[in-house]
Amino acid sequence: GNSVTQMEGPVTLSEEAFLTINCTYTATGYPSLFWYVQYPGEGLQLLLKATKADDKGSNKGFEATYRKETTSFHLEKGSVQVSDSAVYFCALRADSGYSTLTFGKGTMLLVSP
Amino acid sequence: EAGVTQFPSHSVIEKGQTVTLRCDPISGHDNLYWYRRVMGKEIKFLLHFVKESKQDESGMPNNRFLAERTGGTYSTLKVQPAELEDSGVYFCASSRDDYYGYTFGSGTRLTVV
Repeated sequence: GNSVTQMEGPVTLSEEAFLTINCTYTATGYPSLFWYVQYPGEGLQLLLKATKADDKGSNKGFEATYRKETTSFHLEKGSVQVSDSAVYFCALRADSGYSTLTFGKGTMLLVSP
Repeated sequence: EAGVTQFPSHSVIEKGQTVTLRCDPISGHDNLYWYRRVMGKEIKFLLHFVKESKQDESGMPNNRFLAERTGGTYSTLKVQPAELEDSGVYFCASSRDDYYGYTFGSGTRLTVV
């Protein structure tokens, strides 16, 4: 079946540090890949997405590239801010025509001033 | 437009009691999804409504869970009787007709003691 594996958290960084959150997946075919973010007290928000191999999703300074050869979709940001503190979820949608999402366990990011 | 609204935001009940969670989707969104995150684990799909019909309920864990969507508007998820392992955060999401357009609610944190 489909699955998503994320690095364990929490990830603790100082402001302006470089961020990488690893995400790898298992799926048949060509899934679409997503990063969602949950800020404290809020719902899940779509951060970025990629729908085919070598696509790069980007938003708010975050980037992730769909790497089919390594089945990965690592999230990166060059300079994190305190306001980026949140839980980040990697997810996939299978290409089988269903609209449901398969999520990873989530990675908490804590950024200190 | 108003977002997806879930209530209550928190619920603490005793094992064996009944709890009903409610989700109000964005107006005009035919697709409504329920997901659940058990502490420290992945967010898992529960079921998908298209209007008032259950499109996919393959993620419902057992027959103690009953979901309804009267008239294709709001949805309820009833747990009866609740067990300790039902504790977690229950998310609702809605979309118009494009899975890329998922909008999640803030979730209901259910604690069964």
